[in-house]
Amino acid sequence: NAGVTQTPKFQVLKTGQSMTLQCAQDMNHNSMYWYRQDPGMGLRLIYYSASEGTTDKGEVPNGYNVSRLNKREFSLRLESAAPSQTSVYFCASRLAGRNEQFFGPGTRLTVL
Amino acid sequence: GENVEQHPSTLSVQEGDSAVIKCTYSDSASNYFPWYKQELGKGPQLIIDIRSNVGEKKDQRIAVTLNKTAKHFSLHITETQPEDSAVYFCAASIGASGGSYIPTFGRGTSLIVHP
Repeated sequence: NAGVTQTPKFQVLKTGQSMTLQCAQDMNHNSMYWYRQDPGMGLRLIYYSASEGTTDKGEVPNGYNVSRLNKREFSLRLESAAPSQTSVYFCASRLAGRNEQFFGPGTRLTVL
Repeated sequence: GENVEQHPSTLSVQEGDSAVIKCTYSDSASNYFPWYKQELGKGPQLIIDIRSNVGEKKDQRIAVTLNKTAKHFSLHITETQPEDSAVYFCAASIGASGGSYIPTFGRGTSLIVHP
């Protein structure tokens, strides 16, 4: 099992450009999450999907959209990137009824 | 909503010493408290957790204690080794029972173990 995979690992964008961060899990998990990690700020939830077909906003959703494409895949889209979105983005997944979240390796995004 | 405070932000110890990281939470309904370890360039990984019906839990060199009355919980690492160097996150939440599970994370503690 690959666990949680994220692509790309690194990305540099110019202000106003758009991009989609991809996340996939092969553990048959029901819930998936997108977090951003900034220095001294911990992990902040952007969006989550409790199950296939549902998505909900987290603590910091502004400027982002998500798609739960199927049970395996959960993508995060930046429609018009801003320098404030420079961060490391982590995707996580969780099996229904269990508390442990499994995190991917992260995507380091820089917006110039 | 839940608020989790974590201290210290940086902790530097000598190999073999003990390390303690402390967290407080605000929502008395929270009943599940995990600790994650994040090594450089990787995603966080669960290392130990505790539920509100337990006061202490141990796993080899790591232990977690919980004081529900005071709303604080701590991670204890004994006989630290250089490979313990990482960022540690605490979190608090209402445990999953099939529905949504949204933990609130602390801001992290960077532990440095000097050989």
